Amino acid sequence: EVQLVQSGAEVKKPGESLKISCKVSGYSFTTYYIGWVRQMPGKGLEWMGIIYPDDSDTTYSPSFQGQVTISADKSISTAYLQWSSLKASDTAIYYCARRKGGSFFDSWGQGTLVTVSS
Amino acid sequence: DIQMTQSPSSLSASVGDRVTITCRASQGISNYLAWYQQKPGKVPKVLIYATSTLQSGVPSRFSGSGSGTDFTLTISSLQPEDVATYYCQKYNSAPLTFGGGTKVEIK
Repeated sequence: EVQLVQSGAEVKKPGESLKISCKVSGYSFTTYYIGWVRQMPGKGLEWMGIIYPDDSDTTYSPSFQGQVTISADKSISTAYLQWSSLKASDTAIYYCARRKGGSFFDSWGQGTLVTVSS
Repeated sequence: DIQMTQSPSSLSASVGDRVTITCRASQGISNYLAWYQQKPGKVPKVLIYATSTLQSGVPSRFSGSGSGTDFTLTISSLQPEDVATYYCQKYNSAPLTFGGGTKVEIK
């Protein structure tokens, strides 16, 4: 069974750093892309970027370029999304999702709620 | 970058009604269009990909059509369990932009 299991909810202060994770199982990690999607409170889905774990080739949405870093560790089948300095506007649910090359997101993680508040 | 525009942003219909949601791409995307359903408090799930291919397990009352820039998601007979927000997404190339969403409620 394909599973994407994300790390738990986080509460952080503005300016702090954060790295959340997405651990996959049930398929070969290096043969699918992993994407990240933001959903701000009461808002729609926003595509942030995507990584191909086999070679760590990464593409970011222009809206998120320079704001976050996407990475992956093949040895533990885990993808990451990280911030170096959080802002209150980063408060959102973040989803990871699996994508076969040239295709749609067919499996999603359960989401990680990130709350940034002073 | 290609923009994806959905309409309407919300709708209210009766059980059994036929419901149509449209998604327009600012440039042609061939048939690289998926539809997702997100029920309140839940994770999005794909309903339709390649414009009109139903994902396994999705009820046949859902259908998709279109090509190029104009696409449609149709629910042939709205059911209470279809209350959700529906999103289109282009996936021909990055950025894999989502539409703004259409919230479907029961009248």
